[in-house]
Amino acid sequence: DAGVIQSPRHEVTEMGQEVTLRCKPISGHDYLFWYRQTMMRGLELLIYFNNNVPIDDSGMPEDRFSAKMPNASFSTLKIQPSEPRDSAVYFCASSQQGRTEAFFGQGTRLTVV
Amino acid sequence: GQQVMQIPQYQHVQEGEDFTTYCNSSTTLSNIQWYKQRPGGHPVFLIQLVKSGEVKKQKRLTFQFGEAKKNSSLHITATQTTDVGTYFCAGPLYYGGSQGNLIFGKGTKLSVKP
Repeated sequence: DAGVIQSPRHEVTEMGQEVTLRCKPISGHDYLFWYRQTMMRGLELLIYFNNNVPIDDSGMPEDRFSAKMPNASFSTLKIQPSEPRDSAVYFCASSQQGRTEAFFGQGTRLTVV
Repeated sequence: GQQVMQIPQYQHVQEGEDFTTYCNSSTTLSNIQWYKQRPGGHPVFLIQLVKSGEVKKQKRLTFQFGEAKKNSSLHITATQTTDVGTYFCAGPLYYGGSQGNLIFGKGTKLSVKP
């Protein structure tokens, strides 16, 4: 298996623009997580899905952030409009029912200027 | 809210020295996990501890779960340059949770001088 695949790996955008991050979880995994990593705040859980249904989005910082999982093999995290303070590395991770470890993608490094 | 705290934040060691990072939770954990993130990389699962007082070893790495299941430690014996990275502990967001809805500590960044 190719593991969790995220795209793009790097994104530089101007403040106010819409940004969409994409994730393909490992086939057969029924949990998907979006994390944000910054030096100041570390790894923060933004939202997670179980069987494509959002379970907990309490970590989503504000209404500018939204996430969807239209099917078992694809999820998006959208920021609209983006702000410089959104600059961070965004990780997607997936796990399988009954198993504990989360498998992380390579991450998307987002820079908002 | 629930917090997972790690100390130290940074550790610089000479190659061959030992290294320990400590993890403390504000609540009792049903399990604790450890991850390693190499510079520029992504977190990679190392191990999970479930039982009170559990000790597990992976070569030069020793993981321990406290008796009260609120703290844990990772000890590396005779560090090597390949050990460089940030080590995170993580606990389930909800007691009894077993899936990856994890709360991560801030991590301990280890640097090893050859």
